[in-house]
Amino acid sequence: KQEVTQIPAALSVPEGENLVLNCSFTDSAIYNLQWFRQDPGKGLTSLLLIQSSQREQTSGRLNASLDKSSGRSTLYIAASQPGDSATYLCAVGGNTPLVFGKGTRLSVIA
Amino acid sequence: NAGVTQTPKFQVLKTGQSMTLQCAQDMNHNSMYWYRQDPGMGLRLIYYSASEGTTDKGEVPNGYNVSRLNKREFSLRLESAAPSQTSVYFCASSPTSGGSYNEQFFGPGTRLTVL
Repeated sequence: KQEVTQIPAALSVPEGENLVLNCSFTDSAIYNLQWFRQDPGKGLTSLLLIQSSQREQTSGRLNASLDKSSGRSTLYIAASQPGDSATYLCAVGGNTPLVFGKGTRLSVIA
Repeated sequence: NAGVTQTPKFQVLKTGQSMTLQCAQDMNHNSMYWYRQDPGMGLRLIYYSASEGTTDKGEVPNGYNVSRLNKREFSLRLESAAPSQTSVYFCASSPTSGGSYNEQFFGPGTRLTVL
């Protein structure tokens, strides 16, 4: 059974800092990995989708990498801003629907 | 394009009451999903529908039923609500091709309290 772990559970950084969020999964037989953002009391917003054949995807200040063999993905956020404060979730997809990690709660302090 | 919509946004039920959560998507996606989100437990899949006319159980299906009414709509029914079903419920959809479940898009959620 696929299990997804995100460490740390919470992170607080000063504005302007570059940061990395981690995601690990136990079964490397995945089709894709998706990173989401969730603001308090809101739904999930898709940030990046990496297919299993890809090593990374970029969108603006966000860069996500995927290493299937080691069962790891990272989400890199450059020049963090207070507006980046949210919970970030990763989810892996195989031949069954997405399995989610519990998320990392990020606070960017002005 | 409204994306994925859910009704109602909030609901309070008494133990034993029944209700149906509605979900609709206008992206012509094949697959639709129902999740629940609880503090400390993350998002857990209740039921999903890979394509119109099919439904399958997820990780936590007990106490729920679903109906894929057509390609656009996927409803979740609680027949006899219990306090353990107090949660935030999210509906999602994805295009799906072959055996791969592609990028998922989420609705805003329904916050359900069972007293």
